[in-house]
Amino acid sequence: AQSVTQPDIHITVSEGASLELRCNYSYGATPYLFWYVQSPGQGLQLLLKYFSGDTLVQGIKGFEAEFKRSQSSFNLRKPSVHWSDAAEYFCAVGNFGNEKLTFGTGTRLTIIP
Amino acid sequence: DGGITQSPKYLFRKEGQNVTLSCEQNLNHDAMYWYRQDPGQGLRLIYYSQIVNDFQKGDIAEGYSVSREKKESFPLTVTSAQKNPTAFYLCASSMGGADYGYTFGSGTRLTVV
Repeated sequence: AQSVTQPDIHITVSEGASLELRCNYSYGATPYLFWYVQSPGQGLQLLLKYFSGDTLVQGIKGFEAEFKRSQSSFNLRKPSVHWSDAAEYFCAVGNFGNEKLTFGTGTRLTIIP
Repeated sequence: DGGITQSPKYLFRKEGQNVTLSCEQNLNHDAMYWYRQDPGQGLRLIYYSQIVNDFQKGDIAEGYSVSREKKESFPLTVTSAQKNPTAFYLCASSMGGADYGYTFGSGTRLTVV
């Protein structure tokens, strides 16, 4: 069965600093990987996704993620965070032939001035 | 604009009552999903439907029921059998395969009073 681990429950970074949110997945074949962002009391918005090809994926709002098969990871990065990036971030995994996505437990990001 | 509409945004229920959460999409998506979100637990799948008049249980279906009479609509009923219904409920849809990812509604917060 597929699974996702987000080891960091809460991360605090200064505005303008770089950011990396960790995501590890468990699945035998090549997974489909996603990052979503959720503002308080809202639904989830897709930031980026990886299916195949280039392992470095660009998304919206200046985010990028890198798929590393050897480490079973799909970490989300941003070179310089803005106060508006404060939110909860979810990593998700799917696979071919299975329409269901499995979500991690989320990482809450706090931005300090 | 196409999207998913969940209503109401806030819902209060007395213990022992059934309550129905609405989810409507105009994206022409085949698949629809219901997730429950609790702090620190991420998203847990309640029910999903890939086609009209067919649906499957997710990981936490006990105490919930759904119907899929129309492609656009996938209402969720929280029954009195659900022991701890207070949560944030999210509806999502997709074109059918895991590679497409999901589009989410803005959620319904249910509180038992």
